[in-house]
Amino acid sequence: KAGVTQTPRYLIKTRGQQVTLSCSPISGHRSVSWYQQTPGQGLQFLFEYFSETQRNKGNFPGRFSGRQFSNSRSEMNVSTLELGDSALYLCASSLTAGQPQHFGDGTRLSIL
Amino acid sequence: TQLLEQSPQFLSIQEGENLTVYCNSSSVFSSLQWYRQEPGEGPVLLVTVVTGGEVKKLKRLTFQFGDARKDSSLHITAAQPGDTGLYLCAGNTNAGKSTFGDGTTLTVKP
Repeated sequence: KAGVTQTPRYLIKTRGQQVTLSCSPISGHRSVSWYQQTPGQGLQFLFEYFSETQRNKGNFPGRFSGRQFSNSRSEMNVSTLELGDSALYLCASSLTAGQPQHFGDGTRLSIL
Repeated sequence: TQLLEQSPQFLSIQEGENLTVYCNSSSVFSSLQWYRQEPGEGPVLLVTVVTGGEVKKLKRLTFQFGDARKDSSLHITAAQPGDTGLYLCAGNTNAGKSTFGDGTTLTVKP
């Protein structure tokens, strides 16, 4: 059974640009959650999607947005990138909402 | 906002020693999960505890959920170098929100 797949694995951008990250959940999983991981702040919840609807949202500015498609694949978009957005972005999928189970290996985003 | 405090933040021990990692909160959780994360990889789910007072064992790892469902502990017996990693706890609420602790970085020296 294929695990959670995140693409790309590494990304380098400059301030002011925008970026889109992709997450393909485990087959049959309808919940996808996104997290930002940094050394100083740990794992911070961004948002969760279930059956194409955003169920919950963390305390991040509106520059961070997401969506989920009918096949449960999810994308996360960050606009007007700032240096502080450099982080490992992780997504997790699960059968039920509100309980992350299987994480991908993340996308390492570096802002120059 | 639910906060989860993990302690200790860092732990360095010799192979064969025992250790306990704690996860504490003032909030009640419907369930709590423990993960282990290795460098360059995403967290891997180790266990989910749901019932207050519940104890689960996974080989040399013992997980306990507090009676009031506000805290949890992870005990490792006879630690091995392969146990090295970042251990994370995450509390889940009935509202469907998950909060992660800041993690415990464990290093087991051969």
